[in-house]
Amino acid sequence: DAKTTQPNSMESNEEEPVHLPCNHSTISGTDYIHWYRQLPSQGPEYVIHGLTSNVNNRMASLAIAEDRKSSTLILHRATLRDAAVYYCILKTGANNLFFGTGTRLTVIP
Amino acid sequence: GAGVSQTPSNKVTEKGKYVELRCDPISGHTALYWYRQSLGQGPEFLIYFQGTGAADDSGLPNDRFFAVRPEGSVSTLKIQRTERGDSAVYLCASSLKSGGQWTDTQYFGPGTRLTVL
Repeated sequence: DAKTTQPNSMESNEEEPVHLPCNHSTISGTDYIHWYRQLPSQGPEYVIHGLTSNVNNRMASLAIAEDRKSSTLILHRATLRDAAVYYCILKTGANNLFFGTGTRLTVIP
Repeated sequence: GAGVSQTPSNKVTEKGKYVELRCDPISGHTALYWYRQSLGQGPEFLIYFQGTGAADDSGLPNDRFFAVRPEGSVSTLKIQRTERGDSAVYLCASSLKSGGQWTDTQYFGPGTRLTVL
């Protein structure tokens, strides 16, 4: 599986936008970029995914670099409920998800 | 609607004992996955079922671990002769399509926390 690199932790003030980066320099042309997050004491939950174009849904936006070697998950207004570990995952067609260690987001009231 | 459920939520056992962990996937989901998550780490893949058959068991750490899904719905993860290193949160997920679909979304249960004393 192609690997991703994320910062171990980030902080954000409540009500401010958050940009969570992910590097995936070995991405192949058919890899989809998936983001999941894991709230404390819960299982992971799907956030968003994309291939080449930027994507928006009710939870977040995904900005994908033109060369696809990096992407950014954008939370437009962080709330305390967004405090979680965010995982950037390349879906290579394998059946399983390879999670890595993710970015722990702390939201400061 | 009902999500993925897992029972028990917590299991404490002694070294050498046998344990079973149960997963009830979302109704209609044909794909089912088991992951294991150690403290401070991301989930690690164990096994994937498509219907009743184990399509990929490459993540099972050794032959003490076994999983079944006899009717293509509920799955049971079985661990024999438990060791202290088996202590972790065991997560189950299900998805609507084949796991090979690159856009397929996995829905996770809350996990079972296994502690081996």
